[in-house]
Amino acid sequence: NAGVTQTPKFQVLKTGQSMTLQCAQDMNHEYMSWYRQDPGMGLRLIHYSVGAGITDQGEVPNGYNVSRSTTEDFPLRLLSAAPSQTSVYFCASSYSSRPTTEQYFGPGTRLTVT
Amino acid sequence: AQSVTQLGSHVSVSEGALVLLRCNYSSSVPPYLFWYVQYPNQGLQLLLKYTSAATLVKGINGFEAEFKKSETSFHLTKPSAHMSDAAEYFCAVRLAENNQGGKLIFGQGTELSVKP
Repeated sequence: NAGVTQTPKFQVLKTGQSMTLQCAQDMNHEYMSWYRQDPGMGLRLIHYSVGAGITDQGEVPNGYNVSRSTTEDFPLRLLSAAPSQTSVYFCASSYSSRPTTEQYFGPGTRLTVT
Repeated sequence: AQSVTQLGSHVSVSEGALVLLRCNYSSSVPPYLFWYVQYPNQGLQLLLKYTSAATLVKGINGFEAEFKKSETSFHLTKPSAHMSDAAEYFCAVRLAENNQGGKLIFGQGTELSVKP
């Protein structure tokens, strides 16, 4: 199993550009989520999905969209990039949303918005 | 609201010394607690988790953590530090599935340095 994969690993955008961060998992996990990591703030939840066709907002959703058309994929779209979105983005998945289940993290995408 | 506080953004120990990374949580319901490790330029890897079974939890790479309800703590320890332990460590609590879909709430992270 490849686990959780993310592409690209690095990306530089200009303010106002849009892009999609890709996330895929091959573990047949129901639950998938996107976090952003900023220095001194830990990881914060952007959006999450408890199954195909179901998504919801986390604590910092503004400026981001998600969709979940398949169990495997959970792309994150930046609609109009802003410098405040410069961050490292992690995708994670778990077998379910039950709190005892472990979340597996991808390697991350480092995004810089100029 | 549930939250996690990690005391000390940076901890430095000598190789062979005890590692102690502190984590306190606030929770009105039984917590489900996790410790993750992040090596430079990598994703997060689970070290161990507490899910209301044994209060002393053993994880990978010789780490363990003890859940102390009276102190609302879940500190991470390792008896003897190794150079390869240098990384950032995150304590996290996972909410129930009917509370924001079971999201993880992370502490701010503690960077561990190991001196030769």
